[in-house]
Amino acid sequence: DAKTTQPPSMDCAEGRAANLPCNHSTISGNEYVYWYRQIHSQGPQYIIHGLKNNETNEMASLIITEDRKSSTLILPHATLRDTAVYYCIALTNAGGTSYGKLTFGQGTILTVHP
Amino acid sequence: NAGVTQTPKFRVLKTGQSMTLLCAQDMNHEYMYWYRQDPGMGLRLIHYSVGEGTTAKGEVPDGYNVSRLKKQNFLLGLESAAPSQTSVYFCASISGGSYNEQFFGPGTRLTVL
Repeated sequence: DAKTTQPPSMDCAEGRAANLPCNHSTISGNEYVYWYRQIHSQGPQYIIHGLKNNETNEMASLIITEDRKSSTLILPHATLRDTAVYYCIALTNAGGTSYGKLTFGQGTILTVHP
Repeated sequence: NAGVTQTPKFRVLKTGQSMTLLCAQDMNHEYMYWYRQDPGMGLRLIHYSVGEGTTAKGEVPDGYNVSRLKKQNFLLGLESAAPSQTSVYFCASISGGSYNEQFFGPGTRLTVL
């Protein structure tokens, strides 16, 4: 699975958009970009994933560059409850030989302040 | 649905003792995983299973054994606990299809003295 690089920490004001970047310059054509978050020692929580196109769900938006070497997770209106560690992970789909195994890096600590 | 549950939530062991952590899921998922998380670190995969009766090693399998006798349960065993195994243990599962959202349990905090 491709290595991903994220900034160690970011701050965001409550109510503003939080934009979390991720670099994955060695990502292969069949690898998806997944985002998970972990709130204060709870189990990680799935946020969103994508392959080439931009994706949006009720939690966030995922913007993937055309060359797929980087992506940005956008929380459109951050709240205090969004304070967490955010992990960007690249891997092939579970049906392939990756068997869905997640490789977690250090992630980005997002702090949302009032 | 309860999702993914883990038993126990907390445990303190002495060096050399043994114990089993239980993970249960009620979503009929094929794949299950055990991860550990040390302070300030990301999760690391210990063992995983792609179906009932199957198990495979992950990134850090030494000192642990696993079993998947029933589809809904995945057991993680420590035969002789060591202080280096002090960690938070998370279990997760996915359906095994092309959609790869992993559902995680709440974790088990284990301290080995």
